[in-house]
Amino acid sequence: GENVEQHPSTLSVQEGDSAVIKCTYSDSASNYFPWYKQELGKGPQLIIDIRSNVGEKKDQRIAVTLNKTAKHFSLHITETQPEDSAVYFCAASIGVGAGNMLTFGGGTRLMVKP
Amino acid sequence: DAGITQSPRYKITETGRQVTLMCHQTWSHSYMFWYRQDLGHGLRLIYYSAAADITDKGEVPDGYVVSRSKTENFPLTLESATRSQTSVYFCASSESGPGGGYTFGSGTRLTVV
Repeated sequence: GENVEQHPSTLSVQEGDSAVIKCTYSDSASNYFPWYKQELGKGPQLIIDIRSNVGEKKDQRIAVTLNKTAKHFSLHITETQPEDSAVYFCAASIGVGAGNMLTFGGGTRLMVKP
Repeated sequence: DAGITQSPRYKITETGRQVTLMCHQTWSHSYMFWYRQDLGHGLRLIYYSAAADITDKGEVPDGYVVSRSKTENFPLTLESATRSQTSVYFCASSESGPGGGYTFGSGTRLTVV
């Protein structure tokens, strides 16, 4: 089955700096890559996703890049703010068929210092 | 209110007891999922359902039972709770399954003593 590894497990940045979280996946058939943000005491929330026919996607201060050849994708947060502090999860799936569920990475705890 | 709700929010139970965690969604999403979240393991899929009366095992199904008689409800039952099942449990739903975004509930923190 699919295996998703996420690095780093913790990341501390100063407010205003950029943060980058990286994930690698094992199944070359995977074609859907979402990112989730989990705030303390809450469930994960989808913040951005990318499909394999796109190399990069942006949404305000958040961007995701995908390298299909290397089988890795990354989340980039620019101009970080204290409210960006949370646990971030990447995930991957083949995207079709009931048997091909999302596989999540282990999570990254991002701390933005004011 | 529209959304996905889990109950109870917190639960303490004794080893060997049966406990059921409830999940209800108001969107009529076809897919529903149960995950457990543990330190060092991220989110692991327990069971999922592609439609009413259709369920299947995920990565860690042992010790759990699910049912889905109605599209909107997907209860998770621990038939005989063990301490290793102490965890935070998240229910999620999705209109399009693994190829689209999931919406998660707020979670149930279960402690087995």
